[in-house]
Amino acid sequence: DIQMTQSPSSLSASVGDRVTITCRASQSISSYLNWYQQKPGKAPKLLIYAASSLQSGVPSRFSGSGSGTDFTLTISSLQPEDFATYYCQQSYSTALTPITFGQGTRLEIK
Amino acid sequence: EVQLVESGGGLVQPGGSLRLSCAASGFTFSSYDMHWVRQATGKGLEWVSAIGTAGDTYYPGSVKGRFTISRENAKNSLYLQMNSLRAGDTAVYYCARAGDPLGAFDIWGQGTMVTVSS
Repeated sequence: DIQMTQSPSSLSASVGDRVTITCRASQSISSYLNWYQQKPGKAPKLLIYAASSLQSGVPSRFSGSGSGTDFTLTISSLQPEDFATYYCQQSYSTALTPITFGQGTRLEIK
Repeated sequence: EVQLVESGGGLVQPGGSLRLSCAASGFTFSSYDMHWVRQATGKGLEWVSAIGTAGDTYYPGSVKGRFTISRENAKNSLYLQMNSLRAGDTAVYYCARAGDPLGAFDIWGQGTMVTVSS
């Protein structure tokens, strides 16, 4: 299976800060990398697909980059509603390599 | 409105079975790959199964042979038959649509809770 490792696991930041979360795949996944935001008690929400494409309706302060094995999610200026848990996901799946998620990054208010 | 609504969760004893349903609306259901994802309380997301538009199915090793995903396009419905349930299967189960050619899950249901306990 393709392992997805996010860092950090948790992060404290203030409103207005620039924040970067990284995700590393155990093997190359080209651009088959997606980012989700999840708030307590809610379903995940797609933010970024194909490594760098912004999902419709998602604020432009969110951006993604990377290809191959190393990826980043950047929030350019944190807003109060951005405090949540973020997951990366690889969709480079075949019948033998299941879809996998990173363990999550919890973004908390400092 | 594009929407997915899960149902069928509940309390089941170890070794028991449960069938989850996911009702889709607001889009052409038959044109999309569909997935189930689960999340144990306080834990991360785990992909559970997928079904393609042609009915091809995929599972991770943790549920292969115990879970069966299916779809009924005429009813805009997705299903997950879960057999031989274990305590470790306890989680919120989400259905999700793969709306992007590279497989991103762009629409999610609200989730249904499955508890496996005696």
